[in-house]
Amino acid sequence: DAGITQSPRHKVTETGTPVTLRCHQTENHRYMYWYRQDPGHGLRLIHYSYGVKDTDKGEVSDGYSVSRSKTEDFLLTLESATSSQTSVYFCAISGSSGSYEQYFGPGTRLTVT
Amino acid sequence: GQNIDQPTEMTATEGAIVQINCTYQTSGFNGLFWYQQHAGEAPTFLSYNVLDGLEEKGRFSSFLSRSKGYSYLLLKELQMKDSASYLCAVKNGDSSYKLIFGSGTRLLVRP
Repeated sequence: DAGITQSPRHKVTETGTPVTLRCHQTENHRYMYWYRQDPGHGLRLIHYSYGVKDTDKGEVSDGYSVSRSKTEDFLLTLESATSSQTSVYFCAISGSSGSYEQYFGPGTRLTVT
Repeated sequence: GQNIDQPTEMTATEGAIVQINCTYQTSGFNGLFWYQQHAGEAPTFLSYNVLDGLEEKGRFSSFLSRSKGYSYLLLKELQMKDSASYLCAVKNGDSSYKLIFGSGTRLLVRP
């Protein structure tokens, strides 16, 4: 299994508070991704990174920001959490060659009350 | 627009064969993935197709027709542990590394 961890694994927070989720990899992979998964929508890309300090928006980036200061860490921040951001968040990584298949972390279940 | 369609749910019997279909309309095409996801867990990689034809990997096979925008995942000798969601994902022409996921097919295997 690819070495990917996410923290925290579960979090309950109140509307309006900032939240940061962390993804850590030990594979030295170039690409990292943040997805959210909601019933009926499948996995939707929030932001991705193609290198240290190189990030770009995905299809559902409003209300989220990211940072990548080291190869191994990719942070997702909800600046002011809303109930619509209640979801399961998955981090994924992929290498720089071949099929670029993505490997997923265990996920973070976030509830915004 | 970009769209990936899969059936929402399927039911099959232990020991049988099941085919899960995926159709896609994307701006270009750079490959198609199948992932398995058990309830409450992360998706795990099953297969990758970039050329037309069938790729076989044990009990699982995946087929691709680029001209038809169509793929299927074939599961043989079904086992109870195959009960899971199966996600189809496409790399479109804009990127060699970003994926667009379908909503997934939930497969229930019954004894």
